[in-house]
Order: sequence, then C-alpha cells, then structure tokens
Amino acid sequence: QQQVKQSPQSLIVQKGGISIINCAYENTAFDYFPWYQQFPGKGPALLIAIRPDVSEKKEGRFTISFNKSAKQFSLHIMDSQPGDSATYFCAAWDNDMRFGAGTRLTVKP
Amino acid sequence: EAGVAQSPRYKIIEKRQSVAFWCNPISGHATLYWYQQILGQGPKLLIQFQNNGVVDDSQLPKDRFSAERLKGVDSTLKIQPAKLEDSAVYLCASSFTRGVYEQYFGPGTRLTVT
Repeated sequence: QQQVKQSPQSLIVQKGGISIINCAYENTAFDYFPWYQQFPGKGPALLIAIRPDVSEKKEGRFTISFNKSAKQFSLHIMDSQPGDSATYFCAAWDNDMRFGAGTRLTVKP
Repeated sequence: EAGVAQSPRYKIIEKRQSVAFWCNPISGHATLYWYQQILGQGPKLLIQFQNNGVVDDSQLPKDRFSAERLKGVDSTLKIQPAKLEDSAVYLCASSFTRGVYEQYFGPGTRLTVT
C-alpha cells in the first residue's frame, strides 16, 4: 500500500541544472520526511530531512520544500552534477518509514 | 564507525527452497529493520525489532518469512519456502533507537528465485 506518491519516475538533467522531485502524502500523522539517495549496489543513505513545522530546509545544494496544507514536499538539487546520478526516495515516518517508489536521476555532463 | 553488515550479498535459489540472510547492525543501535526492495520500487518494511523484541511485523508474510534477533544484536531473516515473487533486495537497517532517528542501511542481499 503506497502511502507516499513520488514523481517523476525518471529525470534527466544537464550538468549545472536544477533537479526537482516531488512527493505527496495523505496520512496527516506523518511527522518526519526524509530523502534518501541510493547508488547501484548500495543501500539507501539519508540525504536531508524535514519536520512538518518547517517549510524549507537547505543543506548545501540540496533543499527540501514542504507544503503542509497541500501535503506535498519536494527535493531540489541545485547545480546538479554527474555524481548526483542515483535513485532518490522520499519517505515519511509514522511509527515506521513509508517510502516512495523512487526517482532515477541522470545528470548529463 | 563500522556500518551495517549483511551477508550474503547475492543468493540464487530455486522456488520452494529456503534461504537465510544475516545482518549485523551498527554497534549500540537498539532498533533493527528488515526491508524488502523489489526492483523499481521503494523499500517496504517487513519487520522492526527493538533490542530483541518485535515491535512491528504487520507486513511480514508470516506463512513463509520469519526473523529473529537473538541477544538484541545480530538478526536473521529466513524465507521458507521461497516463491518467485520473493525475488528482491533485502535491506537491513539500524537506528539508535525507535522514533525519528536516522536509519543506516546495509548494502543489501540480492535474492533471485528461479
């Protein structure tokens, strides 16, 4: 049962461009929203996370925007680099972690 | 700090056979999770342990899957008998304790059931 809907499924961006991945949820009990980055053959690794009482969080080139009323949140990767090519998962926590289906990002040099 | 260790990394079995996966979490982490990640999907929680007790196994197919975490450290996930649809990557993760704490994932075990 998918409780977190993620889009797009895949994304191709030119080096230096902005990558944007979107997620939506229904369960208002979710109170923690992390983004994970996964490289082939590796487990997911926490990239950045946000609580619902904050509308934006920035860490380096990565920013989460959170819209509580719309029940949506997004990941923005500024100045995208080829090394950012990976699969990105949004997730939401309510006693356990619910993951989106993932977005495969390719950054072309 | 050593990460989450898993073994084996790859396993190929025939349907109806049994298989077991092992996980060693980060030292001091009380909470351990097993996830199933089917190709092209996000991880799905199978079971969550707090020390050596089960906190949540609501999504574990208990007719064929079992898991234990003896002594509150290492954990084993078993499938018996395996089905074709069990082909997936099985990820183990650990966190300091329950709640909103970072989960650290192992590299996973890729299972292929033929």
